[in-house]
Amino acid sequence: QVQLVQSGSELKKPGASVKVSCKASGYNFRIYAMNWVRQAPGQGLEWMGWINTNNGNPTYAQGFTGRFVFSLDTSVSTAYLQISSLKAEDTAVYYCARLGPRYDLDYWGQGTLVTVSS
Amino acid sequence: DIQMTQSPSSLSASVGDRVTITCRASQGIRNHLAWYQQKPGKVPNLLIYAASTLQSGVPSRFSGSGSGTDFTLTISSLQPEDVATYYCHTYNSPFGQGTKVEIK
Repeated sequence: QVQLVQSGSELKKPGASVKVSCKASGYNFRIYAMNWVRQAPGQGLEWMGWINTNNGNPTYAQGFTGRFVFSLDTSVSTAYLQISSLKAEDTAVYYCARLGPRYDLDYWGQGTLVTVSS
Repeated sequence: DIQMTQSPSSLSASVGDRVTITCRASQGIRNHLAWYQQKPGKVPNLLIYAASTLQSGVPSRFSGSGSGTDFTLTISSLQPEDVATYYCHTYNSPFGQGTKVEIK
């Protein structure tokens, strides 16, 4: 069965960096793009962008350029989200989600809470 | 970029009521529209894909319709377990703003 398992919660200080992982299993990792979604406390879902798991090409949504980097390690079927120069407003739950064959986000990771606080 | 405008932002209805949520795309997206349900503290869950096809396991009181720019999610008879926030989305684009559904 398809599963996306994300790394655990992180507590970081402002200015630090964080790398969130999303390990996929149960399907051919290179076939389906991986999306990233942010949800700040009490807020809605924000689409951050996606990465082509076949060639590694990332696409970033408006507001998620510069400090946000999507990457892959296809040898272990894992996608990564790295955020640098963390700010308090980056405090959120970050989800990875697979873009399925019907152009929907059919499988989601369990979410990773990143807390930025001094 | 395609923008999704969802309404209302919240609604309160009685158990058994028919509930309708709308989503408008800034340009035509054919039927590439999905609806997600997110219960408090939970991971979003795919409800409907391709505008009108129920994901496996989703109760039949949920339905979706529309094509092009205008889409609708309907709950034919609201149940207590439907309390959640609902989002529309098309691939490679932002989510709709969300509709919080509560029981009156």
